[in-house]
Amino acid sequence: DVQMTQSPYNLAASPGESISINCKASKSISKYLAWYQEKPGKANKLLIYDGSTLQSGIPSRFSGSRSGTDFTLTIRGLEPEDFGLYYCQQHNEFPFTFGSGTKLEIK
Amino acid sequence: QVQLKETGPDLVQPTQTLSLTCTVSGFSLKNYPMTWVRQSPGNGLEWLGMMWAGGDTAYNSALKSRLRITWDSSKSHFYLKLDSLQTDDTAIYFCARGVDFSTYALVYWGQGLMVTVSS
Repeated sequence: DVQMTQSPYNLAASPGESISINCKASKSISKYLAWYQEKPGKANKLLIYDGSTLQSGIPSRFSGSRSGTDFTLTIRGLEPEDFGLYYCQQHNEFPFTFGSGTKLEIK
Repeated sequence: QVQLKETGPDLVQPTQTLSLTCTVSGFSLKNYPMTWVRQSPGNGLEWLGMMWAGGDTAYNSALKSRLRITWDSSKSHFYLKLDSLQTDDTAIYFCARGVDFSTYALVYWGQGLMVTVSS
């Protein structure tokens, strides 16, 4: 199985700041990585897929990038509603494995 | 408006079979790939398996011998059956829909159903 190593585990930031979350795949997954946001009481939200494609309706402050097997989710200008849990998932090779998650908290 | 909702038992005894139903609305199961995912404190998010619009399936090999995914498009129902349950099958079970016919990132999710395996 493809192992997804996600970092950091926890991240504290203030509204208006920019942050990055990383995922590293244990082997090539081409561009096929998705980023999700999880918030209590709400369905999980797809932010980015295919590494850098912004899902419809997601604000442009979210962006995804790739360098080889390293993927980065960047949020520029954090809004209060951005705080929560973030997961990556590779959707290239079965089983489609997830990262362990990053908790983004308000500083 | 796309909606997905998981239904089924919240408590199942060890060795029994878990049967879950995902009822969808706002789209046809014939047009999108569908996936089951679970989340537990010990294992985080775990991809269980998926079904394509044509009826083909793919399973997580860690569960393959115990897992069956089916659907009934006429009822807009997507099903999971997991045999020989153990306590570590305790998790929140989600159904989710792919972005489009060939893009398997999960754009719509149900709220999830907490299933506890215990005697």
